[in-house]
Amino acid sequence: EADIYQTPRYLVIGTGKKITLECSQTMGHDKMYWYQQDPGMELHLIHYSYGVNSTEKGDLSSESTVSRIRTEHFPLTLESARPSHTSQYLCASSEYPTGTQETQYFGPGTRLLVL
Amino acid sequence: SQQGEEDPQALSIQEGENATMNCSYKTSINNLQWYRQNSGRGLVHLILIRSNEREKHSGRLRVTLDTSKKSSSLLITASRAADTASYFCARGSSNTGKLIFGQGTTLQVKP
Repeated sequence: EADIYQTPRYLVIGTGKKITLECSQTMGHDKMYWYQQDPGMELHLIHYSYGVNSTEKGDLSSESTVSRIRTEHFPLTLESARPSHTSQYLCASSEYPTGTQETQYFGPGTRLLVL
Repeated sequence: SQQGEEDPQALSIQEGENATMNCSYKTSINNLQWYRQNSGRGLVHLILIRSNEREKHSGRLRVTLDTSKKSSSLLITASRAADTASYFCARGSSNTGKLIFGQGTTLQVKP
């Protein structure tokens, strides 16, 4: 098991609420990622970071935002949740800051349901 | 899909049989990785094969890569019920520096 943690594991909230999904890793990895995955479907990259104070948008447009103030912490925030945000959100990290695409280590995921 | 294809989408076999999953892609790659996902969980890395490699083994797993056909296969030998999961290939693109995941193959191994 990788040392990467996500909280909460499950979240049911009402429309319009602000939420933050937490992701932490203890491996000292510089690269971190957020993916969105609907049931039975592929993963879509929504945000990534190459290190502290570095954040980039991924391939899938998302209304969420991220921050990277500490190496180990990469939270994702939705300012106003909507039912269309219902999905599973997976956080991952990898070791190298640049260059080739190496192994990614995944957290257990957060299942979000917006009513 | 611009991300490529995995087939079959679903596979059901008996314990002890071999399972083969295929992955095709469209752009050049640095490496290709296979991941496993148990229901409702995160992904676990299984094996990475670089673009200059043709075959790689890890325990009961065998991965092949044919860059001329832009395809890879994952073979699980002597399958067990515990192998039941979804399996994803992920391409490391030489253009974008990111991993691109396929839609996965759902494997069910019946005891």
